Amino acid sequence: KNEVEQSPQNLTAQEGEFITINCSYSVGISALHWLQQHPGGGIVSLFMLSSGKKKHGRLIATINIQEKHSSLHITASHPRDSAVYICAVKDYGGSQGNLIFGKGTKLSVKP
Amino acid sequence: DSGVTQTPKHLITATGQRVTLRCSPRSGDLSVYWYQQSLDQGLQFLIQYYNGEERAKGNILERFSAQQFPDLHSELNLSSLELGDSALYFCASSVFGGRDTEAFFGQGTRLTVV
Repeated sequence: KNEVEQSPQNLTAQEGEFITINCSYSVGISALHWLQQHPGGGIVSLFMLSSGKKKHGRLIATINIQEKHSSLHITASHPRDSAVYICAVKDYGGSQGNLIFGKGTKLSVKP
Repeated sequence: DSGVTQTPKHLITATGQRVTLRCSPRSGDLSVYWYQQSLDQGLQFLIQYYNGEERAKGNILERFSAQQFPDLHSELNLSSLELGDSALYFCASSVFGGRDTEAFFGQGTRLTVV
């Protein structure tokens, strides 16, 4: 069983829809990251969370430490949001800097 | 632009060869991380350097090595290359090396071994 599970694996949405991507993890963590990877391959860090909720523009990330679960929400989705979204965690037991990655959620937003 | 620069962007080489990937961290960042992204394994942490010293090791093969120089740039050396080493290699940097430090990623080097 993977230590970081994401769902869904693939997601197709119409422009304007509200999108939710989920991440569950099985290890104790010090922080959780949401990353965005565009078709060109580059990775952008969207959020780093250790508790609560963060918002940046149309993106909202939440984390529930007790339930070991995080969600990434995109409001008013747009075709430019099409990308792979990756959840990654830093666990307390692991070495410093060692991120454990989910397999990613491929999002496609249709105009 | 994250401020992390990786060169080259693309690299095609033959099996058995050796290549060097280079990473320049963001100005002021002391910590550099290397990751490998392959189709079957996804993203995996390889190794971390902090201010010139190795800080953490992940799933890095013995054929691979890295170093961080006094100017804080880092190089990842891959030798005796195999077809399975074909992947995207990412470098990331952060100010410190602690658990809660946000990391900024470079654009990656796409390595193709033929």
